[in-house]
Amino acid sequence: QQPVQSPQAVILREGEDAVINCSSSKALYSVHWYRQKHGEAPVFLMILLKGGEQKGHDKISASFNEKKQQSSLYLTASQLSYSGTYFCGTEAQGGSEKLVFGKGTKLTVNP
Amino acid sequence: NAGVTQTPKFQVLKTGQSMTLQCAQDMNHEYMSWYRQDPGMGLRLIHYSVGAGITDQGEVPNGYNVSRSTTEDFPLRLLSAAPSQTSVYFCASSYLLAVTYEQYFGPGTRLTVT
Repeated sequence: QQPVQSPQAVILREGEDAVINCSSSKALYSVHWYRQKHGEAPVFLMILLKGGEQKGHDKISASFNEKKQQSSLYLTASQLSYSGTYFCGTEAQGGSEKLVFGKGTKLTVNP
Repeated sequence: NAGVTQTPKFQVLKTGQSMTLQCAQDMNHEYMSWYRQDPGMGLRLIHYSVGAGITDQGEVPNGYNVSRSTTEDFPLRLLSAAPSQTSVYFCASSYLLAVTYEQYFGPGTRLTVT
């Protein structure tokens, strides 16, 4: 089943924060996060494995609540380069690489 | 390292034609996958492979075949193209060891079926 992402779109001013959520109705082994700019390939940001560990990557971090089957991506002090569409990909079976993606959240950061 | 390469970048096919999309990686990654991306639909998994000689179906496998005879190459074959297969196709390779994971996508192939 496709995970549900929210919000569908968000517009920020440079320096503001944003949170993007990803929810699944299935038990998950891992959640992957990606950013895609228009006309380009997706870029892998981070993976969160079962265990609820929060990960960070510069000013972008994420958490995974395996009891609720939810993950959140936190973008802090957003920069213009953060603009793009963010996707979560969920994996139900560990080591399978069988990912199901959400429809994406379009993030626009304005000066 | 070239990373993940895909050819061709663009392709136009007529309904009923067949073709092979090529994908190669030079990072010795075990896992390789094919996705299609349609507007507003996100990425959908077509087929994937967890190693040479092993492939499995993803979410939308109908109309596509794959094989993985080497670690490096993972071609996707369209058997008889249909307009519904008009899409952008991405190949990806990935590596998982303990808690270390990396994944890279190729630049994509834009396919139009008329």
